[in-house]
Order: sequence, then C-alpha cells, then structure tokens
Amino acid sequence: DVKVTQSSRYLVKRTGEKVFLECVQDMDHENMFWYRQDPGLGLRLIYFSYDVKMKEKGDIPEGYSVSREKKERFSLILESASTNQTSMYLCASRPITGTEGYTFGSGTRLTVV
Amino acid sequence: SQKIEQNSEALNIQEGKTATLTCNYTNYSPAYLQWYRQDPGRGPVFLLLIRENEKEKRKERLKVTFDTTLKQSLFHITASQPADSATYLCALEYGDYKLSFGAGTTVTVRA
Repeated sequence: DVKVTQSSRYLVKRTGEKVFLECVQDMDHENMFWYRQDPGLGLRLIYFSYDVKMKEKGDIPEGYSVSREKKERFSLILESASTNQTSMYLCASRPITGTEGYTFGSGTRLTVV
Repeated sequence: SQKIEQNSEALNIQEGKTATLTCNYTNYSPAYLQWYRQDPGRGPVFLLLIRENEKEKRKERLKVTFDTTLKQSLFHITASQPADSATYLCALEYGDYKLSFGAGTTVTVRA
C-alpha cells in the first residue's frame, strides 16, 4: 500500500523554537506539497516541490521554509515558531502525470505554546 | 479573487438516502476537479477526479458531475451508510498540479 508518512502525529513546541516537520513518500512521486488546515479556512498551500532541490511558494509561505534533498523526503521548517502557527499540517504527494489525486499523510497536529 | 464554495457546512441524512453535495467556484478555469473524504484527525483521502471535458464520473456508490458553464460540481453518495459519515472536500487544480480546496461539507448519516 502506497504511503505518505509524517514523522509525528502530535507535537508541542515553544514560541521561538525552530521546528522541523518531516514527510516521506514511498511512491517515487515527483510532486510534494505542504498544507496547513485550520477550522473554517480549509487547507491552504504553504510550499510545494516539483523535484529534488526545487521548491515553490504556495499561498501562505511566510514564516516557513522547506527542504527537499532527496526525492522521497520533503521537510517543512518553521524558522521561529509562533502561536499563530498552531495548526494541523498535512503533507501530500502526487506523480508528475497529474491525472491522479494527491496522497496525503495522516497529518501533524502542532501546538505552539 | 478565486473562491471555492461548498454548499453547506453540514448535511444530515437518513441511511439509504442519497446525499448531494455542491461545489461552486469563481475565477478558476480548472482542468480537473477532485473530491476527497476526510475523517476527524486524519488526512484527506482521494475519491474521484473529473476532467473539464467529462460530464459525469462514477465509482461504486459515488457520482460526480462537472459543469464548467455553471462552474459547479455535484457529488452524490447513493444508498448512504453510517460509514459514509465524514467531511467531503472539493478541490480544483490550478497552475502546475496545485490544488485549492473548499472548506468541506460534513455529512452525517443516521442509522
């Protein structure tokens, strides 16, 4: 069964900490994405990547960065965590053909205190 | 500005009935429209993809229609079951493989 695995289900961090959220996919997909999901706002795209070492800003990139050193791994970095970054973070991947849906991970519920 | 609206936040139906969810969009010209299911505390799960030149698509008890003139998609769950209770998300593709999501409709099927 194909999978997108997010390293943590729940995470509690302090304001100002640097936070790393890891995502690994085993489907050899070229495209990977990071979204955050908040009640009433739906899923919002933070960053995405078409290939190794390539990244593009999504709709809400401020306060975040990403890293993709290997095809299967896409990391989201919160440079200095703030309370307004408390959210559910979802990683997804998709093949480059674009005729299939996204495969999402189970999500990381991040709380910044 | 671009907008995706799903008809209501919540839909309560009796088991065995058909649930119909609506997705309306403005200022998009999507090549694809997708529907996902999301259970509480979990990531969305892909259900169906329909292309702009397709009018209708079916998968088991699910049916999706796509009207690019009305800028609307309808998502039907026929013979609904309590196990169908979840939040259903509409998503439009824009740019290069990026998806923009609606806020979702939560469906509750009563036994």
